[in-house]
Amino acid sequence: GQQVMQIPQYQHVQEGEDFTTYCNSSTTLSNIQWYKQRPGGHPVFLIQLVKSGEVKKQKRLTFQFGEAKKNSSLHITATQTTDVGTYFCAGREGGKLIFGQGTELSVKP
Amino acid sequence: KAGVTQTPRYLIKTRGQQVTLSCSPISGHRSVSWYQQTPGQGLQFLFEYFSETQRNKGNFPGRFSGRQFSNSRSEMNVSTLELGDSALYLCASSSSDRDAFMNTEAFFGQGTRLTVV
Repeated sequence: GQQVMQIPQYQHVQEGEDFTTYCNSSTTLSNIQWYKQRPGGHPVFLIQLVKSGEVKKQKRLTFQFGEAKKNSSLHITATQTTDVGTYFCAGREGGKLIFGQGTELSVKP
Repeated sequence: KAGVTQTPRYLIKTRGQQVTLSCSPISGHRSVSWYQQTPGQGLQFLFEYFSETQRNKGNFPGRFSGRQFSNSRSEMNVSTLELGDSALYLCASSSSDRDAFMNTEAFFGQGTRLTVV
């Protein structure tokens, strides 16, 4: 079955530094979704990418979908303490989401 | 619009017991999925229900089962609990067509934190 791998597992940054997490799938994805889970919270949808090579921005967050639709990345510019949490990518396989292991981001003020 | 509601929020059970968790999806959503989240394994897909039918199943033993009612509310049951079943169980609902081609984002509930002692 489909496997989604995500790196790094942890990232500690100083406030104001940039952050990137990478997601790779063993198979071609029809689309990829990104979620954020705050400590003690539940995953919250951030964005969905569908097209090959697609790039979407949400304020300081930039999401990319690879040309082969097998990899994706999330880049945060100038992190803030509010960015703390775990970021998950997820590939859809029909009605189910296959999640990456997540990247836990901590931000030192 | 009310979000996804899971009950109970916390549970403590003893090994060998069984447990039932409940999930009420967002109104109008017919797809309900269940996930197990643990620190070591991340978010693992359990199963998905659509219009009262199990449409997808993950790689969990038969002790894990679920069902969906005509109002789209869903329950999952774990029988003969083991220590390793301690986890956060998350339910997610999404709008979906019957062939699962039009799946959109998943809306997660707050989860049920199950502790098996």
